[in-house]
Amino acid sequence: GNSVTQMEGPVTLSEEAFLTINCTYTATGYPSLFWYVQYPGEGLQLLLKATKADDKGSNKGFEATYRKETTSFHLEKGSVQVSDSAVYFCALPTNDYKLSFGAGTTVTVRA
Amino acid sequence: DTAVSQTPKYLVTQMGNDKSIKCEQNLGHDTMYWYKQDSKKFLKIMFSYNNKELIINETVPNRFSPKSPDKAHLNLHINSLELGDSAVYFCASSQITDSYSGANVLTFGAGSRLTVL
Repeated sequence: GNSVTQMEGPVTLSEEAFLTINCTYTATGYPSLFWYVQYPGEGLQLLLKATKADDKGSNKGFEATYRKETTSFHLEKGSVQVSDSAVYFCALPTNDYKLSFGAGTTVTVRA
Repeated sequence: DTAVSQTPKYLVTQMGNDKSIKCEQNLGHDTMYWYKQDSKKFLKIMFSYNNKELIINETVPNRFSPKSPDKAHLNLHINSLELGDSAVYFCASSQITDSYSGANVLTFGAGSRLTVL
């Protein structure tokens, strides 16, 4: 079935550093791909999505491009802030109503 | 106005007790879910209801029983609580357009942290 493999953390960065979190997927066909973010003490919320190959999703300075050739959907941000400290989840739908989440990557940004 | 609200936010109880967590969504979505998040942040889906019909029933102990009185509510009842049930339980909702590429954008509640002593 469809699944994602996500870079394990934790990741610790200084403010204004560049962030990349790797995500690769295995899927039948070309499902939509998602990044969700979970801030401390909160539920997950959608950060960005891409619905087809070569699409780029972007939000809050984060970007991810749906790459069919490398089956990847890596999350990037050019200059992180302390407020970006959170757990980030890559996800894609399976073919039975479920959303399959990666293991989550904890990111801590230090001032 | 909170889109997906769960109560209680925190629940501390003794082993062997029975407890419930309630969830309500005001987004008009047709599908609701329960997820369990462990201490390592790993998310595991437990159940899902679509228009009050159970569509996902993962391998969880039968001490866990979901109930959906209408499509805006999904409650989780847990009998005979065990130490391993300690976790954060998240309710979520979505509008399923189809079972595969239906862009499953989930809206999550803030979570209910269950601690079993």
